[in-house]
Amino acid sequence: QVQLQESGPGLVKPSQTLSLTCTVSGGSISSGGYYWSWIRQHPGKGLEWIGYIYYSGSTYYNPSLKSRVTISVDTSKNQFSLKLSSVTAADTAVYYCARVWFGELLSPWFDPWGQGTLVTVSS
Amino acid sequence: SSELTQDPAVSVALGQTVRITCQGDSLRSYYASWYQQKPGQAPVLVIYGKNNRPSGIPDRFSGSSSGNTASLTITGAQAEDEADYYCNSRDSSGNHGVFGGGTKLTVL
Repeated sequence: QVQLQESGPGLVKPSQTLSLTCTVSGGSISSGGYYWSWIRQHPGKGLEWIGYIYYSGSTYYNPSLKSRVTISVDTSKNQFSLKLSSVTAADTAVYYCARVWFGELLSPWFDPWGQGTLVTVSS
Repeated sequence: SSELTQDPAVSVALGQTVRITCQGDSLRSYYASWYQQKPGQAPVLVIYGKNNRPSGIPDRFSGSSSGNTASLTITGAQAEDEADYYCNSRDSSGNHGVFGGGTKLTVL
């Protein structure tokens, strides 16, 4: 079955750009029918949706992060990526990637999820 | 602030039934999906669509929706159901995703 794995630096300096990659195995990212998403969770807090991407490159972003976020896809590597610019300590979080399905009433659900990766923003 | 509102904490006696709710205007147009998260683990999908369970999720988990409120019901709660539960759907614009703030379920 499809599995997702996040990778990237665990420590990023303030004002720099956070970059993470999600590698998809067990299925093709370009098979269509799904979107791919990034979600984050601040320490001890709830889940925050960051954005979706389709294999064609269409994207939707959280309005509160839109000015700093870029999600891209590399179908040749079966990966999609997150870039978050101008980070501060408030961006310290566990970052998850997930596959997104849209079903009845075009309502979304996320399955499966990667295991998550902690990114700390600190000098 | 989240466009989907959940009670921060709910408790249930072992073997009893508990309902966890999620309120938001967008739920009049879209279904919610529900996720279980245990400490140190990634969230796991438990309910999606009108009332669908992924393979491997016990049938004591069920979902429903009425008006602007979606509900996750656990019938006969077990100790292993103690976890944080999050709802998700589209926001009121329909163009973005949004999660509820989460509900911490304690099984007594």
